[in-house]
Amino acid sequence: RKEVEQDPGPFNVPEGATVAFNCTYSNSASQSFFWYRQDCRKEPKLLMSVYSSGNEDGRFTAQLNRASQYISLLIRDSKLSDSATYLCVVNGGGGFKTIFGAGTRLFVKA
Amino acid sequence: DGGITQSPKYLFRKEGQNVTLSCEQNLNHDAMYWYRQDPGQGLRLIYYSQIVNDFQKGDIAEGYSVSREKKESFPLTVTSAQKNPTAFYLCASARTSRQDEQYFGPGTRLTVT
Repeated sequence: RKEVEQDPGPFNVPEGATVAFNCTYSNSASQSFFWYRQDCRKEPKLLMSVYSSGNEDGRFTAQLNRASQYISLLIRDSKLSDSATYLCVVNGGGGFKTIFGAGTRLFVKA
Repeated sequence: DGGITQSPKYLFRKEGQNVTLSCEQNLNHDAMYWYRQDPGQGLRLIYYSQIVNDFQKGDIAEGYSVSREKKESFPLTVTSAQKNPTAFYLCASARTSRQDEQYFGPGTRLTVT
């Protein structure tokens, strides 16, 4: 089992749609969680941190479920500019350990 | 502006040559990292450094070397021993190596022929 698993997609959605990504992790001692966005041939950029209480930033909502060891990202009212690959990142869990998921590809179409 | 810079953006080398990729940060971050990304793949950790004059191997360190003589700088050398060096190389830094988010430089795309 991979340490961090994501559905690779691609997810093809129309503008205005709501889309959700899930990510599971294997190390129950993991301590911090993030979602990054990566555009084609660019570097990953931090989208948001993920907390147990959940957090929201505009159209984006991230949730953490420690009991089931998964995190989620919800994008509401999708825009064309949301088209990118979304990376799930899990940090901590006994010494240094940062694991990047392979990413979920999103295409938003007009 | 604070940030991470990598140079050059594109680099072409002949097989058998060593090449050094630059990474500089002015964020006063303690931790720095090098990743490799192949087309359609996730990031794989090459080396990381939690503090000056110390660094550790990541998952795919063979054929690579690093140094961390200054807090701001973490250069990566791709040696001729690296069998498949053509890739997108990303440098990142974080305030500490434990739970903090990482910030990435723009990357260097290396092509070896």
